[in-house]
Amino acid sequence: NAGVTQTPKFQVLKTGQSMTLQCAQDMNHNSMYWYRQDPGMGLRLIYYSASEGTTDKGEVPNGYNVSRLNKREFSLRLESAAPSQTSVYFCASSDGPGRNEQFFGPGTRLTVL
Amino acid sequence: AQKITQTQPGMFVQEKEAVTLDCTYDTSDQSYGLFWYKQPSSGEMIFLIYQGSYDEQNATEGRYSLNFQKARKSANLVISASQLGDSAMYFCAMREGGTGGFKTIFGAGTRLFVKA
Repeated sequence: NAGVTQTPKFQVLKTGQSMTLQCAQDMNHNSMYWYRQDPGMGLRLIYYSASEGTTDKGEVPNGYNVSRLNKREFSLRLESAAPSQTSVYFCASSDGPGRNEQFFGPGTRLTVL
Repeated sequence: AQKITQTQPGMFVQEKEAVTLDCTYDTSDQSYGLFWYKQPSSGEMIFLIYQGSYDEQNATEGRYSLNFQKARKSANLVISASQLGDSAMYFCAMREGGTGGFKTIFGAGTRLFVKA
């Protein structure tokens, strides 16, 4: 099992460009999440999907959109990138409530110039 | 509103000693879960321990234990017999229960330095 995979690993964008971060999990988890981590800070929730077909805003959703394409895949789109979106983006999945911890992908390091 | 507070930006501990990392939380839900994750310098997120809001006993996982004080809304992580490999960032997280979709938020983290 690959667990949670993210593509790309690194990306440099110019202000105003758009891009989509891809995330896939092979653990048959119901819930998936997107976080951003700024230098020296914790993870902030951007969007999450409790189950296939549903998405909800997290703490910092402005400037982002998401798509839960199917149970395996959850993408994050930046429509018009801004320097403030320079960050490391983590995707995670979990199997629902209770003790089920989140499993994280390796992260995507995004720089917006 | 959900909130997680970790008040120790950095902590030092001598190898083989125990250390406590603080975490307080705020929620209006009765059902919630508390997690601790470790992030080494390599960047990956590693799950350490979980405590449910209805669990009567403190959680333990090997050298990790969670000091859960529900009335004080605190969930401190205790690492016993620290090792050099424990040097990392540690994050406390909370997931609310109910039908809200398992929204999970993280604290700002504590960087732990283990000295030889």
